Amino acid sequence: GQNIDQPTEMTATEGAIVQINCTYQTSGFNGLFWYQQHAGEAPTFLSYNVLDGLEEKGRFSSFLSRSKGYSYLLLKELQMKDSASYLCAVPYGNNRLAFGKGNQVVVIP
Amino acid sequence: KAGVTQTPRYLIKTRGQQVTLSCSPISGHRSVSWYQQTPGQGLQFLFEYFSETQRNKGNFPGRFSGRQFSNSRSEMNVSTLELGDSALYLCASSSTQGSYEQYFGPGTRLTVT
Repeated sequence: GQNIDQPTEMTATEGAIVQINCTYQTSGFNGLFWYQQHAGEAPTFLSYNVLDGLEEKGRFSSFLSRSKGYSYLLLKELQMKDSASYLCAVPYGNNRLAFGKGNQVVVIP
Repeated sequence: KAGVTQTPRYLIKTRGQQVTLSCSPISGHRSVSWYQQTPGQGLQFLFEYFSETQRNKGNFPGRFSGRQFSNSRSEMNVSTLELGDSALYLCASSSTQGSYEQYFGPGTRLTVT
């Protein structure tokens, strides 16, 4: 089966850097997704990591260590609009995603 | 391209009733997956359809069912509603079976009273 663990909530100041962690256990590994979800809205794709290492996309970076079953999402230069839930997910089977419960990030001025 | 659309966006039902939710995938996408999102359980996979066939099913009771039409639009049905069925129901489409990148619709917020 799949087991995904994320911390539930964190608060950070505008302009700061925040790291959101995700640990997973899965039978068979097909990469790891990060999604952003604003309250009441659909999850939107942020990143997909298959290989170990850091991938940078503007203010957002995602890191993967397959041997440790660990990933993190790094948000730099936080903006108020970054207040959202950040979900990590691993695919299993065909077109199924197993999600963590999400990490709620609250950005304060 | 238009995104994934879901109707209705909000719904209030009473216990024991049934409900049908609709999802139209991105044009050209043939796979539609359904998820239930609740504060306690997070996002949980319900089922996935590809070319009108259910290929995958999550761990939900038989009251939850779905179907897909030849134009790839999908519906899910929940019968004999329970209070615990109150949730955000999200559908996601992807271009091919086995493609892991999914595009989510805005969801249907179902409240059961």
